[in-house]
Amino acid sequence: QVTLKESGPGILQPSQTLSLTCSFSGFLLSASSVGVGWIRQPSGKGLEWLATIGWEDVKHYNPSLKSRLTISKDTSNNQVFLKITSVDTADTGTYYCAHTVYNNYPIWFAYWGQGTLVTVSS
Amino acid sequence: DIQMTQTPSSMPASLGERVTISCRASQGISNYLNWYQQKPDGTIKPLIYYTSNLQSGVPSRFSGSGSGTDYSLTISSLEPEDFAMYYCQQYDSSPPTFGGGTKLELK
Repeated sequence: QVTLKESGPGILQPSQTLSLTCSFSGFLLSASSVGVGWIRQPSGKGLEWLATIGWEDVKHYNPSLKSRLTISKDTSNNQVFLKITSVDTADTGTYYCAHTVYNNYPIWFAYWGQGTLVTVSS
Repeated sequence: DIQMTQTPSSMPASLGERVTISCRASQGISNYLNWYQQKPDGTIKPLIYYTSNLQSGVPSRFSGSGSGTDYSLTISSLEPEDFAMYYCQQYDSSPPTFGGGTKLELK
């Protein structure tokens, strides 16, 4: 059974760095074409893919946010991390991690976590 | 980036009704189109991949079709648990992008 669970700070101030953790089970990040991705949803709005990391440490970023994103993993503990620098109120929303199937880039988000709400406020 | 436009943004419907949600891409996406369902508690469930392939466990009342720039998700007979948000997502090119969503509401 594949499960994913996000954790984060809940609330942080503008200009700070957001650190998120995805803890997963039921699949191996070392498998070919399998990764973990992050997708966010501003309150009341649609979904936006942020980044994915896969086997052999392959990383993909959304170009619109690439300069602010860093994705990494701890394969032995089945965890994936995302850092977003210099946050502002526009980064407020729910952040999901997802089991991702990818080829040269992410193609299918097959399993999702429950999401973690992040609020950026002074 | 490829823009995905879903219509309508909200749709009132009745139990047992057949409904169709549309998704249009800003350019041809060669059937590289997935559908997801989001419940009011935020839970997201994959429904359909590559235009018309049902994810394991998804009821057969769900179906997908389309080609080129125009795609659709059809629910043949609405059940109570189907009232939710639906999103399309293209993966013809990176970055993968989602439609703005369609909210299926009880009439």
